[in-house]
Amino acid sequence: AQSVTQLDSQVPVFEEAPVELRCNYSSSVSVYLFWYVQYPNQGLQLLLKYLSGSTLVKGINGFEAEFNKSQTSFHLRKPSVHISDTAEYFCAVMDSGSRLTFGEGTQLTVNP
Amino acid sequence: NAGVTQTPKFQVLKTGQSMTLQCAQDMNHNSMYWYRQDPGMGLRLIYYSASEGTTDKGEVPNGYNVSRLNKREFSLRLESAAPSQTSVYFCASERLAWNEQFFGPGTRLTVL
Repeated sequence: AQSVTQLDSQVPVFEEAPVELRCNYSSSVSVYLFWYVQYPNQGLQLLLKYLSGSTLVKGINGFEAEFNKSQTSFHLRKPSVHISDTAEYFCAVMDSGSRLTFGEGTQLTVNP
Repeated sequence: NAGVTQTPKFQVLKTGQSMTLQCAQDMNHNSMYWYRQDPGMGLRLIYYSASEGTTDKGEVPNGYNVSRLNKREFSLRLESAAPSQTSVYFCASERLAWNEQFFGPGTRLTVL
């Protein structure tokens, strides 16, 4: 069985500050890893994904994430956030049957 | 190209009533999924359909049934709604071997 833990339920930051949203996973097999973003009252949108290859993955809106196999982590980062980045962010792991297991979510709030 | 559409957007039911949530995708995807989202719990898989004509249980299938009507449509039925089924329901679809799920806008269901 696989699981995902997002270590922070809420992350408040000021505009233009850097941010890191932390995600740890557990799985007995190789996994695919994802970050999704959910803006208020909307569905989920894919930010980025790690399938294989380079451990540093770049996504949309200036976000990137680093896959660390030894620490079983997939933390999301952005060097300078905007007010429009305020949203809930979900880390997820996909098994061999294409089923996603999501973390509990991290609410990122960017303050002016 | 509308992507993944869901109807209705909002619904209020009384305990014991039944209803069907509709989902359709126009991207010719093979796989479709139903999730529920509850505060602090992320998204949990209810049922999925890997291809037309097949359906399988996910993590939380009790109290639900599904029908993969054709390649485009995947419906979720609550036969006898309970307050514990108050949630936001998301449908998603995935093209074979793309390892990326596309989500609909969600249905917000309240059971009184």
